[in-house]
Amino acid sequence: GAGVSQTPSNKVTEKGKYVELRCDPISGHTALYWYRQSLGQGPEFLIYFQGTGAADDSGLPNDRFFAVRPEGSVSTLKIQRTERGDSAMYLCASSLIGTDTDTQYFGPGTRLTVL
Amino acid sequence: AQSVTQLDSQVPVFEEAPVELRCNYSSSVSVYLFWYVQYPNQGLQLLLKYLSGSTLVESINGFEAEFNKSQTSFHLRKPSVHISDTAEYFCAVHNTGRRALTFGSGTRLQVQP
Repeated sequence: GAGVSQTPSNKVTEKGKYVELRCDPISGHTALYWYRQSLGQGPEFLIYFQGTGAADDSGLPNDRFFAVRPEGSVSTLKIQRTERGDSAMYLCASSLIGTDTDTQYFGPGTRLTVL
Repeated sequence: AQSVTQLDSQVPVFEEAPVELRCNYSSSVSVYLFWYVQYPNQGLQLLLKYLSGSTLVESINGFEAEFNKSQTSFHLRKPSVHISDTAEYFCAVHNTGRRALTFGSGTRLQVQP
């Protein structure tokens, strides 16, 4: 079946602008995660959804970052007033709760560049 | 809080030689352990994982890792590497009560002919 997909694959924006990054999880996966990976580093956790609700948002760096998952499937990561330090690869992952519960499957990522 | 340390940022090795990529973690509670691989211009792929049971786990392409609780380590090994194993390898953990993964900074394995 199809894996996790993310759009766009690349996003270039100017400092101060608003951006939205989209994630389509594997069909049927109830859990969805967002991570951020800076150059030369491992991914860092941002937020985790169980169904429609954010079960753990402790990784969001500040209130400019927000994520939603209104119907329990697709999720959107929203960044307001972007800063150059937000430039990174944003990764989405999904997993199935109940069986193979601890394997997160990652998408290809969205590379965000803030000029 | 938990953390993951990958001591080697780069590991150059010749084809058909053995390799070990080191991973140490710290956590005050029980953890699940993972190795992910990222091939050039591709996304993260799960290589292998330890959840419980046998401390030695294997992947389908010849890698293995051993969970050592006393040394808080989960080193990745392969007895004979191929050019196609060239990639970035990430060790990750999460504790049994929380789903967020904590990743190490990665080890770049460069296999040379």
